[in-house]
Amino acid sequence: AQSVTQLGSHVSVSEGALVLLRCNYSSSVPPYLFWYVQYPNQGLQLLLKYTSAATLVKGINGFEAEFKKSETSFHLTKPSAHMSDAAEYFCAVSGHGSSNTGKLIFGQGTTLQVKP
Amino acid sequence: DARVTQTPRHKVTEMGQEVTMRCQPILGHNTVFWYRQTMMQGLELLAYFRNRAPLDDSGMPKDRFSAEMPDATLATLKIQPSEPRDSAVYFCASGLVRPGTGGAGSNQPQHFGDGTRLSIL
Repeated sequence: AQSVTQLGSHVSVSEGALVLLRCNYSSSVPPYLFWYVQYPNQGLQLLLKYTSAATLVKGINGFEAEFKKSETSFHLTKPSAHMSDAAEYFCAVSGHGSSNTGKLIFGQGTTLQVKP
Repeated sequence: DARVTQTPRHKVTEMGQEVTMRCQPILGHNTVFWYRQTMMQGLELLAYFRNRAPLDDSGMPKDRFSAEMPDATLATLKIQPSEPRDSAVYFCASGLVRPGTGGAGSNQPQHFGDGTRLSIL
């Protein structure tokens, strides 16, 4: 079974400050991991994905995430927040290889607020 | 950029009415997913199809919900009769999934439509 826990349903940072959104996963098989962003009244957009290549993954809009197997974590970071980063962020996990169904298991989401 | 297209974007109707939501997946994607998003439950997977065949609809209330793929360019989600508790945003997503053999499977990430915001009065 797979699951995702996002620590903190709301995170508030000042513009220019470091963004850190936490995600821990549980998976009985090697996982694929994803971060998606959702802006108001829109669908989810892929920020980045981990597919067992490099453990540090760079995504769009200056975001990156590091896969740490020992900590079962895949935290999302950005060195300097911009007002346009205010949105809801979702971490997701899926299986791969023989466990690959394409299904994503999503966390509950973290709302990022960026203060001027 | 190729996009997943959902119609209608908004739907308001009275309880008891039939609701049909449509989705045009990205050309070449073999897997279509239906999700429901609410404040209380977050994102829930309702059903998904591969090569137009239903693979899993265990997330869907069977008595009133139905999902179909009449052809490769159209997926539908119907609610009949609708109830106020069905009010939510419904998302369709599509992706290219290559089920693995011997660990060789790989996927393209899911692409989401902008959703149908459904209000049942």
